Amino acid sequence: AQSVTQLGSHVSVSEGALVLLRCNYSSSVPPYLFWYVQYPNQGLQLLLKYTSAATLVKGINGFEAEFKKSETSFHLTKPSAHMSDAAEYFCAVTLSGSARQLTFGSGTQLTVLP
Amino acid sequence: EPEVTQTPSHQVTQMGQEVILRCVPISNHLYFYWYRQILGQKVEFLVSFYNNEISEKSEIFDDQFSVERPDGSNFTLKIRSTKLEDSAMYFCASSEALGGVDGAFFGQGTRLTVV
Repeated sequence: AQSVTQLGSHVSVSEGALVLLRCNYSSSVPPYLFWYVQYPNQGLQLLLKYTSAATLVKGINGFEAEFKKSETSFHLTKPSAHMSDAAEYFCAVTLSGSARQLTFGSGTQLTVLP
Repeated sequence: EPEVTQTPSHQVTQMGQEVILRCVPISNHLYFYWYRQILGQKVEFLVSFYNNEISEKSEIFDDQFSVERPDGSNFTLKIRSTKLEDSAMYFCASSEALGGVDGAFFGQGTRLTVV
């Protein structure tokens, strides 16, 4: 079975500061990993995905994430936060060979302070 | 840009009533899913659907739930007799055909309120 753990249910950063949202996964086989963003009253938007190609993955809106097998981590970063980045961020995992079921973390609410 | 669309955006229903949530997945996708998110909780997998049958379902997806692809474009979730605890945001998602894991593309959700 696969699972993800997101450390920190709430993260606050100042505008222009580095954003770091943490995600650790547990999987018995090589996983596929994703970050989704949910803006208030909206659906889930795919930010980026890791599917066993490059370990550093670039996504939309300047976000990127690095897959580190030794640390079982897939942390999301952005060099400089913008007010529009305020949202809830979900890490998710799935396994190859399944029916592509996604298992989500509990989410991290990002607040960007002016 | 292709997107998953869901209707209605918000539905209020009385306990015990049947509801049908509707979704139009992205047209060339073959895997379809329903997820739900109870307020303040994780997004939870309900069911996946491929080739006109259920591929996987979670423990949440009991006999009160059913899914259907009645035509070439719609994908529906039916809750036969709603309970208060069914109140949640329900997300439909779809993903591409066999050959790769691309993540799923989600709709905007239907907020179901059972009173």
